[in-house]
Amino acid sequence: EPEVTQTPSHQVTQMGQEVILRCVPISNHLYFYWYRQILGQKVEFLVSFYNNEISEKSEIFDDQFSVERPDGSNFTLKIRSTKLEDSAMYFCASSQSTGLGNTIYFGEGSWLTVV
Amino acid sequence: LAKTTQPISMDSYEGQEVNITCSHNNIATNDYITWYQQFPSQGPRFIIQGYKTKVTNEVASLFIPADRKSSTLSLPRVSLSDTAVYYCLVGYYGGSQGNLIFGKGTKLSVKP
Repeated sequence: EPEVTQTPSHQVTQMGQEVILRCVPISNHLYFYWYRQILGQKVEFLVSFYNNEISEKSEIFDDQFSVERPDGSNFTLKIRSTKLEDSAMYFCASSQSTGLGNTIYFGEGSWLTVV
Repeated sequence: LAKTTQPISMDSYEGQEVNITCSHNNIATNDYITWYQQFPSQGPRFIIQGYKTKVTNEVASLFIPADRKSSTLSLPRVSLSDTAVYYCLVGYYGGSQGNLIFGKGTKLSVKP
């Protein structure tokens, strides 16, 4: 079964450092997303991306965050200057196309710890 | 986006059938009903999706009455590995509309 893969699975970084989380979406999918889940809390939407531009973003996705599709397979989330409150599990997701009932598939997550 | 209400937690025993009901009184005409499963420290995993009546796959069944104001996820003969949080989401998802709104879900505990 095709799956969304994410790297690294776990990263520890110092406050103020830049972090890049990487994702390989399912190969024939065109829409890509990032979500995060702070320990013990709900899964929260960050951003959606299509045709090399952001389609929608939440208020969490401020100027410290950016996304990029540097090539035909990778999708990255960059946090420019990490803060302690950025510690969370970050999930990449993808979906095939627009349309009724389209399904969004999630990766296993990258656990970010900011110290 | 339709608001959903589901039980916070449920307990079951191995081998039993588990039914988790979700209320979504203000579901819109174009909305689909989607269920995800999440294990600790893992990403949400798609289980099943439906629009009306009954949908069945190798993992679960989804029952949706005619008025679509509720839905029931049915897990046949659960095992310990089905212990997880189950989320009911209602909306027109996918494509550019990827803003899935997760609630707290239903924490299912399966006991031996």
